[in-house]
Amino acid sequence: DTGVSQDPRHKITKRGQNVTFRCDPISEHNRLYWYRQTLGQGPEFLTYFQNEAQLEKSRLLSDRFSAERPKGSFSTLEIQRTEQGDSAMYLCASSQYRGAETQYFGPGTRLLVL
Amino acid sequence: DAKTTQPPSMDCAEGRAANLPCNHSTISGNEYVYWYRQIHSQGPQYIIHGLKNNETNEMASLIITEDRKSSTLILPHATLRDTAVYYCIVASGGSYIPTFGRGTSLIVHP
Repeated sequence: DTGVSQDPRHKITKRGQNVTFRCDPISEHNRLYWYRQTLGQGPEFLTYFQNEAQLEKSRLLSDRFSAERPKGSFSTLEIQRTEQGDSAMYLCASSQYRGAETQYFGPGTRLLVL
Repeated sequence: DAKTTQPPSMDCAEGRAANLPCNHSTISGNEYVYWYRQIHSQGPQYIIHGLKNNETNEMASLIITEDRKSSTLILPHATLRDTAVYYCIVASGGSYIPTFGRGTSLIVHP
């Protein structure tokens, strides 16, 4: 068990560019979550998958945000036409749903939009 | 809006018990109480969860009141490495959309 990994750990981009982040969950976990965290705030839920199905996406911040988990394993989060307000930490977590949830978080990807 | 209310900050002496309170007066019958903590610049770390009964694991104890409207996380012998932001959240297993809030910043001092 190597834990949840995220790539890249840091990303600096210019306003208007597209960025994509990857999350590799713990291998046997069927649920995968994306969060955004800004300074001084708790993680803000964005979306989650159970296997390859995206069960909740209404909390994605705008239509510039999209996520995929094509084979039920790793997931990507894409932000199109980035804005300075997108600067934040993007966290991924995974869990094995068994009625109650225990989420295991990755180290996060810190995004800075210039 | 967060479903829970926590004090913004607390402090504790090293070696003493840290008792972190959480109010969740609108909790519903199928919602669990979860506690996570986040050390600066790291992802949150799961601590413990419970439904009705008190729970204990190697990290902490969770005390849930009989009416389930509040709970307390207990770190029995706090160390400097327990300095972190502690989040109390409630969520149901079937539709798990957790709301973290700002948590409690716990500082453990020597």
